[in-house]
Amino acid sequence: RKEVEQDPGPFNVPEGATVAFNCTYSNSASQSFFWYRQDCRKEPKLLMSVYSSGNEDGRFTAQLNRASQYISLLIRDSKLSDSATYLCVVPYNQGGKLIFGQGTELSVKP
Amino acid sequence: GAVVSQHPSWVICKSGTSVKIECRSLDFQATTMFWYRQFPKQSLMLMATSNEGSKATYEQGVEKDKFLINHASLTLSTLTVTSAHPEDSSFYICSAQKLPASGSPLNNEQFFGPGTRLTVL
Repeated sequence: RKEVEQDPGPFNVPEGATVAFNCTYSNSASQSFFWYRQDCRKEPKLLMSVYSSGNEDGRFTAQLNRASQYISLLIRDSKLSDSATYLCVVPYNQGGKLIFGQGTELSVKP
Repeated sequence: GAVVSQHPSWVICKSGTSVKIECRSLDFQATTMFWYRQFPKQSLMLMATSNEGSKATYEQGVEKDKFLINHASLTLSTLTVTSAHPEDSSFYICSAQKLPASGSPLNNEQFFGPGTRLTVL
């Protein structure tokens, strides 16, 4: 099992749609999780942190299921500007090492 | 905020030359910085962990003699790609770890530099 595995993309959705991405992780000791957004040819930017059962920020909701070792990201009322690659990130240890998923590309069309 | 800069943002060089990339934390001190590499259509792969004042820790498969890392101060880490070859062409990104305030659960929050795009001809 890969350390961090995401839904393969790309996801092509119309504006206003709701889209969900899933991510599974192998290290059951992981305590915190992150979703990053990466635009083409740019650095990743932190979208949300998750360290309890979930987190919500406007149109974005992240949920954590520790028993099944998966994290999800839900985007409601998607906008054209949401088009990007979404990276699921899991800390490897307390030393700061991060393991990145392969990313899920989202394309929101008019 | 927490800002991390990288220099240069892009570089084109001839095969066999060495290229130095700088990573700076502009408004905070970072005892630990990380260097990643990203090939097209792939995710970020950690190359090494750079600790101020000590030797870097390299990930499996990353040649420490080819990718020299120096972390001489709390705000600067450098990555030197020695004798670069076309297969080293990639997007190199650094990140700096900002230690949280006491009690904060954000143990591993990192801030990424804008990346350096290296093309070796």
